[in-house]
Amino acid sequence: GQNIDQPTEMTATEGAIVQINCTYQTSGFNGLFWYQQHAGEAPTFLSYNVLDGLEEKGRFSSFLSRSKGYSYLLLKELQMKDSASYLCAVRDSNYQLIWGAGTKLIIKP
Amino acid sequence: IAGITQAPTSQILAAGRRMTLRCTQDMRHNAMYWYRQDLGLGLRLIHYSNTAGTTGKGEVPDGYSVSRANTDDFPLTLASAVPSQTSVYFCASSAGTGGTEAFFGQGTRLTVV
Repeated sequence: GQNIDQPTEMTATEGAIVQINCTYQTSGFNGLFWYQQHAGEAPTFLSYNVLDGLEEKGRFSSFLSRSKGYSYLLLKELQMKDSASYLCAVRDSNYQLIWGAGTKLIIKP
Repeated sequence: IAGITQAPTSQILAAGRRMTLRCTQDMRHNAMYWYRQDLGLGLRLIHYSNTAGTTGKGEVPDGYSVSRANTDDFPLTLASAVPSQTSVYFCASSAGTGGTEAFFGQGTRLTVV
């Protein structure tokens, strides 16, 4: 079966750095996405990785290792507005997105 | 403002009733999707459409139907609602089925009683 694993919840301090991990087992791989979802709102796109390595976009970076079935999202200089759920999704061989359950990130002052 | 719009934003529905959730996008995206999101679970694909005139079944299609008569609209119908269909429903669209990001509507919170 297909599976995406992420931690259920993480807590971090304002101004710090946090790494959210995602491991996946899917039938084929055509890219990995990270989305942010604030409570009661729609998911919004953060990053996309299809090749191994690090993609940096401002305070957010995403890393992919296809051989390990592993990705992480790195958030730097955390702000209170970063409190949200972070969703990992993999596009499989049928080009459908398989979603993890999301990681709820709590930022404390 | 270009985007994807869902209606209604919330609804309480009696079991056994028929209900259509509406979704419209003005980005001329080819692909559209319907997901449900339940606490503790990831987004689960109900139905999808890669282009106008075609639809396909996702992971949890039972009890739901869709149509794609044109590029912009992708309604989701519950023929006879059951309490297990209580969920938050998200419509999404993307320019293609490859590496392009999906844009989501604001969601419809449906409660079946």
